[in-house]
Amino acid sequence: AQSVTQLGSHVSVSEGALVLLRCNYSSSVPPYLFWYVQYPNQGLQLLLKYTTGATLVKGINGFEAEFKKSETSFHLTKPSAHMSDAAEYFCTFRGGYNKLIFGAGTRLAVHP
Amino acid sequence: NAGVTQTPKFRILKIGQSMTLQCAQDMNHNYMYWYRQDPGMGLKLIYYSVGAGITDKGEVPNGYNVSRSTTEDFPLRLELAAPSQTSVYFCASSYDAYEQYFGPGTRLTVT
Repeated sequence: AQSVTQLGSHVSVSEGALVLLRCNYSSSVPPYLFWYVQYPNQGLQLLLKYTTGATLVKGINGFEAEFKKSETSFHLTKPSAHMSDAAEYFCTFRGGYNKLIFGAGTRLAVHP
Repeated sequence: NAGVTQTPKFRILKIGQSMTLQCAQDMNHNYMYWYRQDPGMGLKLIYYSVGAGITDKGEVPNGYNVSRSTTEDFPLRLELAAPSQTSVYFCASSYDAYEQYFGPGTRLTVT
């Protein structure tokens, strides 16, 4: 069965600290992987994506993620958190023809 | 471009009432989606469409219906509203099915 698991429903960091949001997937086909971000009271927007090619992908707002096939992971990182990064983050992957499967989400809090 | 628009933003329904959530996009995308978002549950796909006249069920279609008569519009119909349908509903569109553009959402309460 295809699935995506986000480790930790809530993550809290200090401003300026490293952000690490964990995502593992299970897929029987080569995965297309995505991170979406949802700011309070808004819809989701694409942060970054991996389809093929370079396994380290860079996204908007200084975020990046690395596809590790051997670990079936696609963790999201940012070297230095900013207050404006507080949001909910969803790891997502291609779940069959024409569809995405969303993880349960990780809510990131950033403290001064 | 307005992107993906949804109306209304908020709605309160009584049990048993019906309503239509409107969704429109001006990006000429073939793929359109309806999701519901419940706290701690991520997004669940209700229905999707790969083009005008073509729709298909997602993970949680019961209690909902859709139609796609034009490329731009993808309304979601709730028949006989139930408290379990209290949720935030998002419409999305895409040119390739994977990079999806989301509307601002409709917050629905059924009491």
